[in-house]
Amino acid sequence: EAGVAQSPRYKIIEKRQSVAFWCNPISGHATLYWYQQILGQGPKLLIQFQNNGVVDDSQLPKDRFSAERLKGVDSTLKIQPAKLEDSAVYLCASSPTSGANVLTFGAGSRLTVL
Amino acid sequence: GQSLEQPSEVTAVEGAIVQINCTYQTSGFYGLSWYQQHDGGAPTFLSYNALDGLEETGRFSSFLSRSDSYGYLLLQELQMKDSASYFCAVRAWDDAGNMLTFGGGTRLMVKP
Repeated sequence: EAGVAQSPRYKIIEKRQSVAFWCNPISGHATLYWYQQILGQGPKLLIQFQNNGVVDDSQLPKDRFSAERLKGVDSTLKIQPAKLEDSAVYLCASSPTSGANVLTFGAGSRLTVL
Repeated sequence: GQSLEQPSEVTAVEGAIVQINCTYQTSGFYGLSWYQQHDGGAPTFLSYNALDGLEETGRFSSFLSRSDSYGYLLLQELQMKDSASYFCAVRAWDDAGNMLTFGGGTRLMVKP
């Protein structure tokens, strides 16, 4: 089966600019996650979707980050305006259900904010 | 919320055995997972323990003690390709629901 697809792989922007990341999960996976991974740290959950509904977005900086999964398949994560501390890899993952033991991750989108 | 602790770095030689420990503090605990991540790559699932004891998958084994809030990943017959970061992750229930929280990761360096 095809894996989790993410784009772009790399993005360099200046602070206060905006950026969007796209994720296509494994077909049939109801749960989609966006994680932020700062260099040298573990992934931190930003938002979790179950189909097209938000399960948890408690760690999403809502003043600048937004995410949607309108048709319960693809998802987009947007940052506007970006700050220097947003430099990180943004990982998308999916699983068949919200309680699944195995998450399948995409290769990630590496963001550098200058 | 959940908190996890694991060593930041471990070094071992090819062919040896290494153990990566993970302690956690959480309520509503379901289980402990381990993921491997090579530099620049995606985290990939290694194992999951919901019950006490040892789970073996080839050269990798994972152990859980729920009473001690402790687990470890055991890697045997180390190979150079095992050089990577290893993350423990707790599956637990909190106010938001059934969540997976990752530790900070242990960077394993395998030397010839």
